[in-house]
Amino acid sequence: RKEVEQDPGPFNVPEGATVAFNCTYSNSASQSFFWYRQDCRKEPKLLMSVYSSGNEDGRFTAQLNRASQYISLLIRDSKLSDSATYLCVVIGSGNQFYFGTGTSLTVIP
Amino acid sequence: GAVVSQHPSWVICKSGTSVKIECRSLDFQATTMFWYRQFPKQSLMLMATSNEGSKATYEQGVEKDKFLINHASLTLSTLTVTSAHPEDSSFYICSAGRAGRRSEQYFGPGTRLTVT
Repeated sequence: RKEVEQDPGPFNVPEGATVAFNCTYSNSASQSFFWYRQDCRKEPKLLMSVYSSGNEDGRFTAQLNRASQYISLLIRDSKLSDSATYLCVVIGSGNQFYFGTGTSLTVIP
Repeated sequence: GAVVSQHPSWVICKSGTSVKIECRSLDFQATTMFWYRQFPKQSLMLMATSNEGSKATYEQGVEKDKFLINHASLTLSTLTVTSAHPEDSSFYICSAGRAGRRSEQYFGPGTRLTVT
């Protein structure tokens, strides 16, 4: 079983829509969780960390459910510039980064 | 934010040749750097962890004699793909973390390798 699993999508949503991505992880001892954004043919860039209590950064909300071992990312009021691949990242007990396959989002005018 | 550079950004080489990719942390010292490979529409796969002044730690299935890693200083790690073959064509990305802030990784812009 993969360390991290994501629905690859693609998600095609109109501007202004709200979209949510989920990601599950297999190791209950995982320590830290992040969402990264990757544009086509570019390196991943940190979007936000995910905290146990949930956290928000503008239009983005991240949540962690340790009991069910999943993290989520909610994007409100989608912009064209939000089109990208969103990677969930889980840091294991050995400080290793495990990446999901990424979820592709296209925001349509 | 921290800056990590990679060179070259794009390389095309013939089968059988060796290619060296450099990863530099420009504004911080990185005791540990990571090398990833990403095939089209797939996730980043960790190849190896590069430790300054010591041997790299390779992930299972990654040939250490084929992918040579050198981390000679706190700001530079190199990955050499030896005797490259078409199946080695991929996007290679390095990342580096600040000392004491291991949960934050800064990625280089990546190197796209095409072996003909």
